[in-house]
Amino acid sequence: DAGVTQSPTHLIKTRGQQVTLRCSPISGHKSVSWYQQVLGQGPQFIFQYYEKEERGRGNFPDRFSARQFPNYSSELNVNALLLGDSALYLCASSLAKRTGYTFGSGTRLTVV
Amino acid sequence: AQSVTQPDIHITVSEGASLELRCNYSYGATPYLFWYVQSPGQGLQLLLKYFSGDTLVQGIKGFEAEFKRSQSSFNLRKPSVHWSDAAEYFCAVGVEFFGNEKLTFGTGTRLTIIP
Repeated sequence: DAGVTQSPTHLIKTRGQQVTLRCSPISGHKSVSWYQQVLGQGPQFIFQYYEKEERGRGNFPDRFSARQFPNYSSELNVNALLLGDSALYLCASSLAKRTGYTFGSGTRLTVV
Repeated sequence: AQSVTQPDIHITVSEGASLELRCNYSYGATPYLFWYVQSPGQGLQLLLKYFSGDTLVQGIKGFEAEFKRSQSSFNLRKPSVHWSDAAEYFCAVGVEFFGNEKLTFGTGTRLTIIP
């Protein structure tokens, strides 16, 4: 079975631009979460989606938004990019509660 | 609010030596606890998890961790490290969040293995 896949793997954007990151969960996993990992730090929770509904949001500005599609894939959108948005963005999926999360390899976003 | 502390930013261990990585958490209720490993430029791989039951948890790659409620700790151990264990290790506490868990991570411990 394929793991959690994320695209693109790397991208470079200019300040003020908008970006869309994509995630395909493991087949059968209905829960998808997004995390931001700034260099040298642990991942920080951004969003959680379950059955296409937002179930939680971390302490991130409204410039960050996400959605989950009927096939349970997900997109993370970030508007008006700032230099501080440069990070590794990780997507994780879960089959059910108390089973743990499987992470993808992430999208490395660089804002210049 | 929950939090995780990993007191050691960087640890260097000789190949074949034993390893213990420290993790302390703060959470009011019984926590769900995790250890993840991250190789450079990669995502996170789950090593082991604790939800309830036996406080000594076995994971992949020969790792184990022990949950000690009295010390609010969940330290990761391995009896004999291999050069391939060099990576960043993250401890995380999960709290129930609208039917699933939200993870709060520590800042990580970088493990270097010397021959």
